[in-house]
Amino acid sequence: DGGITQSPKYLFRKEGQNVTLSCEQNLNHDAMYWYRQDPGQGLRLIYYSQIVNDFQKGDIAEGYSVSREKKESFPLTVTSAQKNPTAFYLCASTGQGGGNQPQHFGDGTRLSIL
Amino acid sequence: GDSVTQMEGPVTLSEEAFLTINCTYTATGYPSLFWYVQYPGEGLQLLLKATKADDKGSNKGFEATYRKETTSFHLEKGSVQVSDSAVYFCALKGFQKLVFGTGTRLLVSP
Repeated sequence: DGGITQSPKYLFRKEGQNVTLSCEQNLNHDAMYWYRQDPGQGLRLIYYSQIVNDFQKGDIAEGYSVSREKKESFPLTVTSAQKNPTAFYLCASTGQGGGNQPQHFGDGTRLSIL
Repeated sequence: GDSVTQMEGPVTLSEEAFLTINCTYTATGYPSLFWYVQYPGEGLQLLLKATKADDKGSNKGFEATYRKETTSFHLEKGSVQVSDSAVYFCALKGFQKLVFGTGTRLLVSP
């Protein structure tokens, strides 16, 4: 079945450590997105990529970095500069078709600080 | 900029009750509108969508109508079930990205 796979499901970060969250899709979608979800705040966009080797900052990009070397993969690195990384992180993708196309989501990674 | 406002939760209902979750939006142009549902510990799933004024999206007994004159997209269901307990997000498709509301938690008791 086609879908989006995020791993790991749970991740723990130590002080000063960078951690990378994986997101892989086999939907042949061009666009991919990373969101952060905090209780009572809905989803906030971190980074997005419309095409391979290109990506743009979202609303809360500080302390995060991404790469898009392959169409199916869009890993997110939470750097030590992100002082409050504890959250639920969601990856999503969209096919071509403009504004009518919904986003498909993975099951998320929950990141906590040790 | 574009924004979505949802009613605050939690919304607590008994099984078979009627559900309404209000959603209003502010946007330039004519965005597509979506409702997503999130079950505990999972990602978001598309529930329904509408792409132009007066469109009605429907799925699994849920409905929402795109009302341009009131800039609203309220979610309704005639008879909720315990399995409908989840968080519901209203969203609009702006330029290159989705804009989400803060979500409304629905709790349905037997």
